[in-house]
Amino acid sequence: DQQVKQNSPSLSVQEGRISILNCDYTNSMFDYFLWYKKYPAEGPTFLISISSIKDKNEDGRFTVFLNKSAKHLSLHIVPSQPGDSAVYFCAAMNGGSQGNLIFGKGTKLSVKP
Amino acid sequence: EAGVVQSPRYKIIEKKQPVAFWCNPISGHNTLYWYRQNLGQGPELLIRYENEEAVDDSQLPKDRFSAERLKGVDSTLKIQPAELGDSAVYLCASSPGQGSGELFFGEGSRLTVL
Repeated sequence: DQQVKQNSPSLSVQEGRISILNCDYTNSMFDYFLWYKKYPAEGPTFLISISSIKDKNEDGRFTVFLNKSAKHLSLHIVPSQPGDSAVYFCAAMNGGSQGNLIFGKGTKLSVKP
Repeated sequence: EAGVVQSPRYKIIEKKQPVAFWCNPISGHNTLYWYRQNLGQGPELLIRYENEEAVDDSQLPKDRFSAERLKGVDSTLKIQPAELGDSAVYLCASSPGQGSGELFFGEGSRLTVL
């Protein structure tokens, strides 16, 4: 049973437009959420995170929104650039119990010039 | 500052053969993780170390997988004997301490079992 779900395997966006990547989770004990970005033949790299006490966190072109009641989070990239083309993984953890990161399956973003 | 170093990058073996992967974490990072990533899936935790102690190995298939982190620095993950289903990318990650979730990953070791 997947605790972190990314239901869109892929997303294609035009350069300059907004990219919205979605993630749902089932475990109400999760209280810390992260997004990782992965290029081919490289390991994932941390992108942005959000604590469950917040509903929004922004870092430059990247913003993560958290809707706890819906157990849903999303990553917005504005404006999208061709270099953003990668696989994006949503991850969650129970920080209070020092639990481990649980990853979703990833969404492959393609930003077309 | 050097990142997480893994070797080998690629390994092709026949089933029933042994294989080992090595990881050197970022200097000063006490927590070390081994993840496995199957094709089309997200990384899944195999084992987590705090210094030299394995604090979570619940997902490690102990009949064929073993890991060690002597002296609390670099680590080795071994599979013996390998099976076809073990084909995956094995990722090592480290973090300065438990709790932040911000892991630093190596480039991974891609294993193909024929």
